[in-house]
Amino acid sequence: KNQVEQSPQSLIILEGKNCTLQCNYTVSPFSNLRWYKQDTGRGPVSLTIMTFSENTKSNGRYTATLDADTKQSSLHITASQLSDSASYICVVSALAGGYNKLIFGAGTRLAVHP
Amino acid sequence: NAGVTQTPKFRVLKTGQSMTLLCAQDMNHEYMYWYRQDPGMGLRLIHYSVGEGTTAKGEVPDGYNVSRLKKQNFLLGLESAAPSQTSVYFCASSSILNTEAFFGQGTRLTVV
Repeated sequence: KNQVEQSPQSLIILEGKNCTLQCNYTVSPFSNLRWYKQDTGRGPVSLTIMTFSENTKSNGRYTATLDADTKQSSLHITASQLSDSASYICVVSALAGGYNKLIFGAGTRLAVHP
Repeated sequence: NAGVTQTPKFRVLKTGQSMTLLCAQDMNHEYMYWYRQDPGMGLRLIHYSVGEGTTAKGEVPDGYNVSRLKKQNFLLGLESAAPSQTSVYFCASSSILNTEAFFGQGTRLTVV
């Protein structure tokens, strides 16, 4: 069964600190992995997307890594800001019936405190 | 460029009532999706469409119907609302290359 598991479920950090969110997946056949940011009351917005051959990708203070062998990904946030408070969702795509089926993790809820 | 627009944003229904959620996208995307998001769970696919006039069932289709009469619109209908359908509903669209899904702002539905 295709599954995406994220940890921790929630996290509180102080402004300016770094943090790392984890994503483990069992999805086949793997197409790509994306991290989305979802602010409260809003729809998810894409942060990064990585294919099988990519190990790391950055988007400003966000850096995502992918280990296709262990089927693990992480999202590292550097020098956190209050605006980083949101849910971060790991989404893995599987090729199914000619289109990319999206399998969503439950998300990590991050709270950045001053 | 509005992207993906959902209407309404909020709705309260009584058990047994019906309603239609509207999703509109202006990016000329082929693929459109309806998801529901419940606390502690990932987004779950209800129905999707790979083109105008075509629809298919997703992971949790029971109690819902959809229509894609125009490429830019994807409608989600609740035939007879039940409290278990209380959720936040998201519409999304993506290009035929399916490299990124763009989401609407969500519709918070409460069934009492």
